[in-house]
Amino acid sequence: GAGVSQSPSNKVTEKGKDVELRCDPISGHTALYWYRQSLGQGLEFLIYFQGNSAPDKSGLPSDRFSAERTGGSVSTLTIQRTQQEDSAVYLCASLPGPGADYGYTFGSGTRLTVV
Amino acid sequence: LAKTTQPISMDSYEGQEVNITCSHNNIATNDYITWYQQFPSQGPRFIIQGYKTKVTNEVASLFIPADRKSSTLSLPRVSLSDTAVYYCLVGEGSGGSQGNLIFGKGTKLSVKP
Repeated sequence: GAGVSQSPSNKVTEKGKDVELRCDPISGHTALYWYRQSLGQGLEFLIYFQGNSAPDKSGLPSDRFSAERTGGSVSTLTIQRTQQEDSAVYLCASLPGPGADYGYTFGSGTRLTVV
Repeated sequence: LAKTTQPISMDSYEGQEVNITCSHNNIATNDYITWYQQFPSQGPRFIIQGYKTKVTNEVASLFIPADRKSSTLSLPRVSLSDTAVYYCLVGEGSGGSQGNLIFGKGTKLSVKP
């Protein structure tokens, strides 16, 4: 597609359940990022994939969070045993890769509500 | 990683020029300065990027002094639709492999009629 696609756009889950959030980056973009944004706050970096390199997981807040990127394209962010503090908008962004001369393209995000 | 400081909020009126200044005292040699715009319920959108001096595109201008410790995003003749949060980011590289770019809380610009 023309942009970064995220699904679902909204997700309400019960505390303790696992959730999976999906990101379809722009075709050909080798770099993919996950951020989360709590209400009224800035973006918090979670994880970064670049090509076939090992991902930078330094932003994942706990071991309940994990992400994978299959075939260098689609990425899934998984949150296990969700907690209320996980409620936020989860944003995915992609970049063409090294040498690109413009910034990220973000998706519209997944709004996660843990009740 | 260079940290940025920008005003929490700004008010303006339609038709005015708006200048938002961002401080980044610890900017590194390889760092570029990038500005994003975010509307409610949307992801941030790239506006402009620069390394030094002045950059201008169809949306905005970016002024960067010689010491690069600050930058100013200039929006000419704002309209109501420019009401958004504006983020200043500093990171290595011109676009790709930027690693962990730090988004602060941004500047909430409110444009009034």
